[in-house]
Amino acid sequence: GAGVSQSPSNKVTEKGKDVELRCDPISGHTALYWYRQSLGQGLEFLIYFQGNSAPDKSGLPSDRFSAERTGGSVSTLTIQRTQQEDSAVYLCASSRSTATADSNQPQHFGDGTRLSIL
Amino acid sequence: AQKITQTQPGMFVQEKEAVTLDCTYDTSDQSYGLFWYKQPSSGEMIFLIYQGSYDEQNATEGRYSLNFQKARKSANLVISASQLGDSAMYFCAMREGLWAGGTSYGKLTFGQGTILTVHP
Repeated sequence: GAGVSQSPSNKVTEKGKDVELRCDPISGHTALYWYRQSLGQGLEFLIYFQGNSAPDKSGLPSDRFSAERTGGSVSTLTIQRTQQEDSAVYLCASSRSTATADSNQPQHFGDGTRLSIL
Repeated sequence: AQKITQTQPGMFVQEKEAVTLDCTYDTSDQSYGLFWYKQPSSGEMIFLIYQGSYDEQNATEGRYSLNFQKARKSANLVISASQLGDSAMYFCAMREGLWAGGTSYGKLTFGQGTILTVHP
């Protein structure tokens, strides 16, 4: 597609349920990032994928959070046993690469998934 | 310590005037990149401009320019001839670890943002 696509755009769920958020990056982009945007915390990095592997998971807030990427393309962020503090906008971004030669490559963001935990 | 500091929670500017949004950063890396993004009320993050730490010239992109003062660790965004459509949240972000030994992961660290309101 032309841009980064995220689904669903909105998700309301009850505390304790599991949720899956999907990201479809720009075709050909090997680097994929998940961020979370909340009122109290601003924009926080969650996890980075290069291809299908995740060399940096340092931003995942707890072991309830996991993510995978298949075929070097679509990524899914899963939150198990959701808590109210998980309510936020989850943003996915992709870029061509993080190699030196492409260091000025910006990350292109999707429109995000607004997650509300009741 | 905050890696990216945006000290202006909100800014107001008259249409057609210029406005400067402040950003200071903190890093011990010699090589890094600085980005500005715009987030309108609709929520999408729009890339505006990039400045590399080794770039000798200030970056410019249309009505956007970056006042990069490396010694002071500041990278202020200047918007010239403001338009009503410029009203949005603006984020400064930094990518560290470029050209270090090994691969840079490229993750961005964001400031808290500045809400810009353009008045007619």
